[in-house]
Amino acid sequence: QQPVQSPQAVILREGEDAVINCSSSKALYSVHWYRQKHGEAPVFLMILLKGGEQKGHEKISASFNEKKQQSSLYLTASQLSYSGTYFCGTVPFLDNDMRFGAGTRLTVKP
Amino acid sequence: KAGVTQTPRYLIKTRGQQVTLSCSPISGHRSVSWYQQTPGQGLQFLFEYFSETQRNKGNFPGRFSGRQFSNSRSEMNVSTLELGDSALYLCASSFYPTGELFFGEGSRLTVL
Repeated sequence: QQPVQSPQAVILREGEDAVINCSSSKALYSVHWYRQKHGEAPVFLMILLKGGEQKGHEKISASFNEKKQQSSLYLTASQLSYSGTYFCGTVPFLDNDMRFGAGTRLTVKP
Repeated sequence: KAGVTQTPRYLIKTRGQQVTLSCSPISGHRSVSWYQQTPGQGLQFLFEYFSETQRNKGNFPGRFSGRQFSNSRSEMNVSTLELGDSALYLCASSFYPTGELFFGEGSRLTVL
């Protein structure tokens, strides 16, 4: 079963912040985040393995709330290069395979 | 090191035909997953292979099949093509199942 991402799309100005949410109906073993730029393959951003874990990559970080089966991706002081579609991938404990959300299209404007 | 290679990159088929797509994973990666990507549907999981065994299969009809060879290369086959099969088919490899995925550029299939 696919995780649910929100919002579907967001438009930002350079320097603004954004939050992308991902939720699952199943107990999760891990959450992955990927970014796909137009016409390119998705690229791995980070993986979260523990409940409550937070990870960061430059100005992009994420949290994982194991109890709520939710993860959020935080983009701070956004740059033009952050534009793309962000996908969360969830791995439930019992299914042990990765399913992706429908994606969040992020557009950063000058 | 070389990334994930998918062939062919583009192909056009007609309804009723069949198609075979190939994926060469990153050297050392034994897990290969396939996804179908269409506008508005995101990435739909097709199947995953690890050490030549299909571990999981998504909710697709039996017309979609795949296999993995001893060198970890994988193929997927779609028989009796339908218009709705038009999509970008992405292959991803990882060192272990559910690990960090490395995606190929994809094979864009158009069914006329």
